[in-house]
Amino acid sequence: QQQVKQSPQSLIVQKGGISIINCAYENTAFDYFPWYQQFPGKGPALLIAIRPDVSEKKEGRFTISFNKSAKQFSLHIMDSQPGDSATYFCAASMGYGGSQGNLIFGKGTKLSVKP
Amino acid sequence: KAGVTQTPRYLIKTRGQQVTLSCSPISGHRSVSWYQQTPGQGLQFLFEYFSETQRNKGNFPGRFSGRQFSNSRSEMNVSTLELGDSALYLCASSTKLGVEAFFGQGTRLTVV
Repeated sequence: QQQVKQSPQSLIVQKGGISIINCAYENTAFDYFPWYQQFPGKGPALLIAIRPDVSEKKEGRFTISFNKSAKQFSLHIMDSQPGDSATYFCAASMGYGGSQGNLIFGKGTKLSVKP
Repeated sequence: KAGVTQTPRYLIKTRGQQVTLSCSPISGHRSVSWYQQTPGQGLQFLFEYFSETQRNKGNFPGRFSGRQFSNSRSEMNVSTLELGDSALYLCASSTKLGVEAFFGQGTRLTVV
């Protein structure tokens, strides 16, 4: 019940296209859902995050869509660029509501944007 | 504003030895969490601290331990190293447990 399932494992998109990564969770106590971007040799960088009382959040080319009833959320990268090529992780935690803030991560999606 | 600083960046140790990794959080952040990243298991939670108190611990053996100091800096220790402990160890800091957590670049530990 603590798992976060992420798909696809890898994704190849043409420059200018839309990249879509999906995640699903079971624990309805999760109240914070961030996405992280990781380049080789670097730590994960916080990209964008959402809380379950919001269905969509947009920051620049990055959008999170959240479906509370389906217990799913997704990351959309519009106008994908070669510089977006990285591994993306979704995560979930109970940080806002409780005393446990540990992030449960998906397995990651390796995105390659072809020029 | 300086980011999360982890030292050392790279470490090679022999099986059976122990190791201590250090993490300096972003100024003003009182929460520090540690994660282990491996190709097979992905990112797994080790423990989290807030104001020097361990708030939560992941499913790792007792050989893994940590602490947080009054200045919010944190250390983690792994005793009796095993080959399987080879991983990237990541530290994250935040103002609130787990929310808007910023990661350091990690310490790459290799056990030979």
